[in-house]
Amino acid sequence: AQSVTQPDIHITVSEGASLELRCNYSYGATPYLFWYVQSPGQGLQLLLKYFSGDTLVQGIKGFEAEFKRSQSSFNLRKPSVHWSDAAEYFCAVGDFGNEKLTFGTGTRLTIIP
Amino acid sequence: EAGVAQSPRYKIIEKRQSVAFWCNPISGHATLYWYQQILGQGPKLLIQFQNNGVVDDSQLPKDRFSAERLKGVDSTLKIQPAKLEDSAVYLCASSALGDRTNYGYTFGSGTRLTVV
Repeated sequence: AQSVTQPDIHITVSEGASLELRCNYSYGATPYLFWYVQSPGQGLQLLLKYFSGDTLVQGIKGFEAEFKRSQSSFNLRKPSVHWSDAAEYFCAVGDFGNEKLTFGTGTRLTIIP
Repeated sequence: EAGVAQSPRYKIIEKRQSVAFWCNPISGHATLYWYQQILGQGPKLLIQFQNNGVVDDSQLPKDRFSAERLKGVDSTLKIQPAKLEDSAVYLCASSALGDRTNYGYTFGSGTRLTVV
C-alpha cells in the first residue's frame, strides 16, 4: 500500500529565509507525487506535481520540488518565503491507474517577521 | 472555469442527528471524491465515484455514512446518526478521468462539521 510521511509537524522560518519541507513516500512503482497547500478555512490548492522526466519540478508561488528515487523523497523548497506562505502543506502520492491520492499528515508553516 | 462548489461551509449539529453535504464538481470531470480531514491530519479518502458509479468506498463507515452521485454530476454525502468523532472538514474533489496532463484533483473549500 502506498504511504506518505511528512516528518515535520510544524516548522517556523523567518520571512525572507529559505524553506525546505520534507516528504518521504512508499510506493511499489513509479509514483505520481504532489504538493498541496491549505490556508486556514480553505480547500487544498495544488502547488506542483511530478509524473516523470526532469526530477526538479517548478510550481506556483515560487515553489519547487525535487524527486529523488534513491531516497524515496520529494522535498518542497522555496528560496525566500513570504508572510503569505504561512499555511499547511501536504505531500501526496498517487496512482494514475485508479487516480486515488494518499496524503501525508501535513506540515504547518509559520512565518515570523 | 468554475471550481468545485460545496455547501454548506459550516455545520454544527448534536450527536445522533443527521447531516448532508453537497458537492458540484467541475463541469466534465468524471471522477469525484469525498475526503474527510480531521484536525491535525491529512485528508482521508471516504469514497470515489466515476461518473455515477462507486469505484472505492472501502473506508466509508457504511453503518452511518452514505453517498450518492446522481446522473454523474452532483454528489451528496450524508451522515446518520452523527458521532462526536465525525467532527472534521469534509472535502470534495474532482478530476478529469484519464487526463494525465491535468492529473491532480481540484478541491472545494470544504464543509466544516462540528458535532456537539
